[in-house]
Amino acid sequence: GAGVSQTPSNKVTEKGKYVELRCDPISGHTALYWYRQSLGQGPEFLIYFQGTGAADDSGLPNDRFFAVRPEGSVSTLKIQRTERGDSAVYLCASSLWGRETQYFGPGTRLLVL
Amino acid sequence: RKEVEQDPGPFNVPEGATVAFNCTYSNSASQSFFWYRQDCRKEPKLLMSVYSSGNEDGRFTAQLNRASQYISLLIRDSKLSDSATYLCAVFSGANNLFFGTGTRLTVIP
Repeated sequence: GAGVSQTPSNKVTEKGKYVELRCDPISGHTALYWYRQSLGQGPEFLIYFQGTGAADDSGLPNDRFFAVRPEGSVSTLKIQRTERGDSAVYLCASSLWGRETQYFGPGTRLLVL
Repeated sequence: RKEVEQDPGPFNVPEGATVAFNCTYSNSASQSFFWYRQDCRKEPKLLMSVYSSGNEDGRFTAQLNRASQYISLLIRDSKLSDSATYLCAVFSGANNLFFGTGTRLTVIP
């Protein structure tokens, strides 16, 4: 079946702009995760959804970052007033119900100029 | 102290060699352990879960040592196609995976 998909695959924006990154998880997966990966580092947790609710948003770096999953499927990560330090690959992952194997999407490569 | 620590390498080994990676974790209550493989500019893909009794999948063997809080990955008879970054990941009672920085492996002809 279809895996996790993410759009766009690449996003270039200017400092101070607003961006939205989309994740479409594997059908039927109730758990959805967002991670951020910088060069030479492993993925770093941002937020976890169980169904429609954000069960754990402790990894969001500050209040410029926000994510939603209104219908329990597709999720959008929103970054306001982007900064150059936000440049990274943003990965989405889903799992059947949480706390077991996570399947990753191809990521969105964000570059803030 | 980081939740998960991993030697970043790089490891450069000849074809056919055996190579081992270790990864230590800080939370003794950690419950689930994984090895992921990540190719350049690609997403992490699950290589194998790590069970207490150890597990093997072809040329790959994963071990868990709870007393010393580390997991290991052994690759036998390395192939050129094994060249990638290997990430260990640990569920530590939270709702997310903690990843190591990854160990880069290059298999040389």
